[in-house]
Order: sequence, then C-alpha cells, then structure tokens
Amino acid sequence: SAVISQKPSRDICQRGTSLTIQCQVDSQVTMMFWYRQQPGQSLTLIATANQGSEATYESGFVIDKFPISRPNLTFSTLTVSNMSPEDSSIYLCSVSGTSYEQYFGPGTRLTVT
Amino acid sequence: AQSVTQPDIHITVSEGASLELRCNYSYGATPYLFWYVQSPGQGLQLLLKYFSGDTLVQGIKGFEAEFKRSQSSFNLRKPSVHWSDAAEYFCAVSNSGYALNFGKGTSLLVTP
Repeated sequence: SAVISQKPSRDICQRGTSLTIQCQVDSQVTMMFWYRQQPGQSLTLIATANQGSEATYESGFVIDKFPISRPNLTFSTLTVSNMSPEDSSIYLCSVSGTSYEQYFGPGTRLTVT
Repeated sequence: AQSVTQPDIHITVSEGASLELRCNYSYGATPYLFWYVQSPGQGLQLLLKYFSGDTLVQGIKGFEAEFKRSQSSFNLRKPSVHWSDAAEYFCAVSNSGYALNFGKGTSLLVTP
C-alpha cells in the first residue's frame, strides 16, 4: 500500500484566511481524493484530482472555496479559502489502490477561530 | 438513491467477547465493499475489502466480513475483541471503483 503524508498535521486559523494542505505519496498514483470529516461525522468526498486535468468536485463543494492542484503523480494540495468556523474539520487525502481500495493520509485537523 | 447504513452509532462489548458491526447498502448492482477503522487522532486504515468471489473475506487484525447479497449487507465480525480495538469503524461502498461513499460510522467501546 502507498505511504501518504500530509502537512500540516493540524492548524488553528483565523476567520477569513486561507490554508493550503499538502498531500505527498511515496509512489505515482493516477487518482487522488480529498475528503472532509466534520467533528463527530463521517467522511464526505470533496473532489477527485487527476494529474493533468481539472479536479472534479462533488455537489456542495466549489472550486473557489476549495481550489485543488495536482502538479504531478505524487503530490496534491487542497486550499481552504476564506475560512469560517464551519470549515473546522479533519481534511484527508487518499489515493486509489490496485483493486479500487483507497489508502488515506493521517489527516489535517483544522480549527477556525 | 445510493446509500450506506450503519445502524449502530455506538456499541459496547467486553474484552474477549465477540463483535459484529452491521452495514447495509443500497446500490443497483453489487458494489465494491470496504471496512475501515479510525483510531483516535489517526487516519483511516483499511481492514478488508470485497469485490467478488468468496463471500467471507478475511482482513487484518483478526477481522472478517461476510457479504450477503440477499440482505444487501456486509457485516464485520471479530471472535474476540481486544481493548486496542476500541475505535470508530466505517463501512464504505463504491460502485464505480473510484470514490467511496461512507456510512456514518460505529463507535466501539471495549470494557474490561
């Protein structure tokens, strides 16, 4: 399975600012995913990021709020823009495995004050 | 609409007792099925997966799951629970082989 790291592991940010989360994989992967896990909740898919193309966003998530970059096959970033307290969540990236399973990074715990 | 249901929000079992966590799905065809575990402050770890073939699948940490097409279920089981199994368990489903649809999770508490 792939080894995935995320930076930062946690952050406390002020309302109205932006935070960029990095996701690094130890091998080349085609598809990367970004999920949000609100406090005490399950995971919700934000978007799918393929290298060389625009990210595909799920209903309820827009590019202006959550811009994503995917410059190569081992790296992606998610930016949470113009943050509000409602954005306080754990943000996780994942990559697809060889048999449609996904492997997750450790997550970034974001608190917006 | 496609959905994944984990009926039990919390489950408490005694250490050494058996465990069964329920998962039901609503999809048009047999989807890809997964169980993940999330320990406090940790990311998600894949326990096991089912695509086809033998309906009883073995996973890591002594877990197993059984796919029952007639009941649209994919329940997770363990014969003897250890205190370290206390965590949040998520059932996930994919019918496209890509994005996962997660259930709301079951929180497992293990008592001495």
